[in-house]
Amino acid sequence: AQSVSQHNHHVILSEAASLELGCNYSYGGTVNLFWYVQYPGQHLQLLLKYFSGDPLVKGIKGFEAEFIKSKFSFNLRKPSVQWSDTAEYFCAVNAPWGNNRLAFGKGNQVVVIP
Amino acid sequence: EAGVAQSPRYKIIEKRQSVAFWCNPISGHATLYWYQQILGQGPKLLIQFQNNGVVDDSQLPKDRFSAERLKGVDSTLKIQPAKLEDSAVYLCASSPSGRSYEQYFGPGTRLTVT
Repeated sequence: AQSVSQHNHHVILSEAASLELGCNYSYGGTVNLFWYVQYPGQHLQLLLKYFSGDPLVKGIKGFEAEFIKSKFSFNLRKPSVQWSDTAEYFCAVNAPWGNNRLAFGKGNQVVVIP
Repeated sequence: EAGVAQSPRYKIIEKRQSVAFWCNPISGHATLYWYQQILGQGPKLLIQFQNNGVVDDSQLPKDRFSAERLKGVDSTLKIQPAKLEDSAVYLCASSPSGRSYEQYFGPGTRLTVT
């Protein structure tokens, strides 16, 4: 079964700092990769996704993620965070040829201090 | 476009009681998902429907959990009887047919079992 690992569950940083959240998955085949975000009091929503092509994916609100196949990783980055980026971030993986089930990591709780 | 609707938003019950959650997906979305999100973890798929048929219920504890989507639109998830470890947020999501990577999540129902 595919699994998704996210480390550093709680991240606290100041505005304008850079953010990088790690995501590793254990699945040898072709996968689709996602980052979801949940702002306080809001629904889980898609931040960005990777299916194929350019391994550097740009999403909403200045976020980007890089797929490194050899490392089974899909790390999320933002060069300069804002207070409004305070949220929980989830990495997710699904296999397009399997049962298409989305497997989520445990999430990263990010707090940005003004 | 209206999003995924869920009710109730919060529910507190005692162990061994029964509870039901309701979900109305985005209009036209054939695929509906129920997830369980325990505090500190990512969402875990419980059951996936394609129209009114079950596609994947391999992670549904069938001795106490049941779900239906009789007319292929809205859905209910039931727990009977509830256990303390069922305390979680229950998320409903929907996606267009064949596009499981494009899931839209509802606000969730926070269940507390005492």
